[in-house]
Amino acid sequence: KAGVTQTPRYLIKTRGQQVTLSCSPISGHRSVSWYQQTPGQGLQFLFEYFSETQRNKGNFPGRFSGRQFSNSRSEMNVSTLELGDSALYLCASSPGTSGGYTGELFFGEGSRLTVL
Amino acid sequence: AQRVTQPEKLLSVFKGAPVELKCNYSYSGSPELFWYVQYSRQRLQLLLRHISRESIKGFTADLNKGETSFHLKKPFAQEEDSAMYYCALSLNYGGATNKLIFGTGTLLAVQP
Repeated sequence: KAGVTQTPRYLIKTRGQQVTLSCSPISGHRSVSWYQQTPGQGLQFLFEYFSETQRNKGNFPGRFSGRQFSNSRSEMNVSTLELGDSALYLCASSPGTSGGYTGELFFGEGSRLTVL
Repeated sequence: AQRVTQPEKLLSVFKGAPVELKCNYSYSGSPELFWYVQYSRQRLQLLLRHISRESIKGFTADLNKGETSFHLKKPFAQEEDSAMYYCALSLNYGGATNKLIFGTGTLLAVQP
């Protein structure tokens, strides 16, 4: 099976711009979670989507949003970028169902965002 | 509030020495804990989960609810164990959701 794929891998934006990141989960996985990784804060949960619905949300401002499509692919969007949004954004997928639950998340390589 | 604490940013040991990576958690519910590992230039991946009570690559971790700890141990470190290790707590509502609270990670460096 192909792993979790994230695009783009690297991008540079300026303050005030917006950005959209994409994640394709492992085939058959219906849950997609997003995490922000920074040197200061470590890995922080952004949100989780399951069957096109947001199932969980972390403590991030409303500038951070996401969505999931019927094929389980997910996008996250950050509007009005700030310098502090510079980070590695990781996507993770899992089956997402009680029957398929193991607790294991399968991570992508991440999208590294730099805000200038 | 739920929290995972890994007190050591860096742990340096010699090959063959025992390793213990510390993890403490704060959670009022029944905890579900994991260790994730990231080797150089690889993706973050699951190493082991407490519920499985298994040994992976010689590593074990025991959940101690009294001390709210989930330390990762290996009796004899190998150079290939050098990696970043993250302890994680699952907030598993209803048995299906995947919200993990991660610690800040410990970089394990095994010297030859």
